[in-house]
Amino acid sequence: EAGVAQSPRYKIIEKRQSVAFWCNPISGHATLYWYQQILGQGPKLLIQFQNNGVVDDSQLPKDRFSAERLKGVDSTLKIQPAKLEDSAVYLCASSLESGWAETQYFGPGTRLLVL
Amino acid sequence: QKEVEQDPGPLSVPEGAIVSLNCTYSNSAFQYFMWYRQYSRKGPELLMYTYSSGNKEDGRFTAQVDKSSKYISLFIRDSQPSDSATYLCAMSGWGNKLVFGAGTILRVKS
Repeated sequence: EAGVAQSPRYKIIEKRQSVAFWCNPISGHATLYWYQQILGQGPKLLIQFQNNGVVDDSQLPKDRFSAERLKGVDSTLKIQPAKLEDSAVYLCASSLESGWAETQYFGPGTRLLVL
Repeated sequence: QKEVEQDPGPLSVPEGAIVSLNCTYSNSAFQYFMWYRQYSRKGPELLMYTYSSGNKEDGRFTAQVDKSSKYISLFIRDSQPSDSATYLCAMSGWGNKLVFGAGTILRVKS
């Protein structure tokens, strides 16, 4: 079974530029998550999709971050404009459903450095 | 106060040692407790999970939950250099929203 795929793996941009990350979840997984992991911290949930609808985006900085999951499969996360404090690893995860105790499977992440 | 507190380490032990990793939490609504392992430049992978107070064993790993004290632990017996990684505790309430600890860096020296 193929795992969660993410690209690019690394990205370096200057502040105020825009950047986009892509995620392809495990086939058949209805729920997709984007997490932000700042160095030395645990992952923090940014947004959760169930199919192509948003379940939870309470911690997404909506003035600069946006995400979509067209057709309920792949997803993109965009930052525009980027700030220095956005430097982090952006992890995508997926689970079969969104029910309690569903195992979340993580991708390798995209490491973003904002200069 | 953070919902989940975890000592970041690093924790350095000799090969074969017993390792104890711990987290405390403040939200009594948490019902589902997990340990994830994260190797350098990789995503977290689920190691163990438990729903109730008590112990759960899987090979060299034992997860322990004490809900009355809001304290969870992961024990690794006969630690190996391949166990060197960051260990993240995570927990959720009745939904599927995970709250992670900061992670403990473990180094097992051969």
